[in-house]
Amino acid sequence: AQSVTQLGSHVSVSEGALVLLRCNYSSSVPPYLFWYVQYPNQGLQLLLKYTTGATLVKGINGFEAEFKKSETSFHLTKPSAHMSDAAEYFCAVSVRGNEKLTFGTGTRLTIIP
Amino acid sequence: KAGVTQTPRYLIKTRGQQVTLSCSPISGHRSVSWYQQTPGQGLQFLFEYFSETQRNKGNFPGRFSGRQFSNSRSEMNVSTLELGDSALYLCASSLDTRNTGELFFGEGSRLTVL
Repeated sequence: AQSVTQLGSHVSVSEGALVLLRCNYSSSVPPYLFWYVQYPNQGLQLLLKYTTGATLVKGINGFEAEFKKSETSFHLTKPSAHMSDAAEYFCAVSVRGNEKLTFGTGTRLTIIP
Repeated sequence: KAGVTQTPRYLIKTRGQQVTLSCSPISGHRSVSWYQQTPGQGLQFLFEYFSETQRNKGNFPGRFSGRQFSNSRSEMNVSTLELGDSALYLCASSLDTRNTGELFFGEGSRLTVL
């Protein structure tokens, strides 16, 4: 079975500062890893994904994440936060051949002007 | 192209009633998954359908059921509603999750049970 742990249910950063949202996973087989973002009263939007290949993955809106197998981590970063980044972020894991995503509990990102 | 469409967006029911939620996937997508989102439990997988067949089911009671039609549209039904069923129900579609796991989500149906 797969699981995801997101460290920090709430993260606040100043506008222009580095954004770092942490995600650790557990999987007995090579995982697929995802970051989704959810704005208020909306569904989830895919930011980026790792399936195979390059471990540094670039996504939309300037976000990127690095798959580190040795650390079982898939942290999400953005060099400079914008006010529009305020939202809830979910890390998720799945494996090839398994249809469901297992989500973390989410991290609410607040941007301080 | 049009995204995943869920109807209704908001609804209010009373305990004991039943509810049916509808999901129209992105054109060409054959896999439809349903998730329940609550503040306490987060995002939990309900079930997944592919070509009208349920391929996977989460750990929910039998009151939760679903189906998929030949045009890939899906419905989920919750019978004998309980207060704890109040949640945002999210539908997601994919060409086939077994290849990449990538899902495209709708905006959800927010159910309130009184």
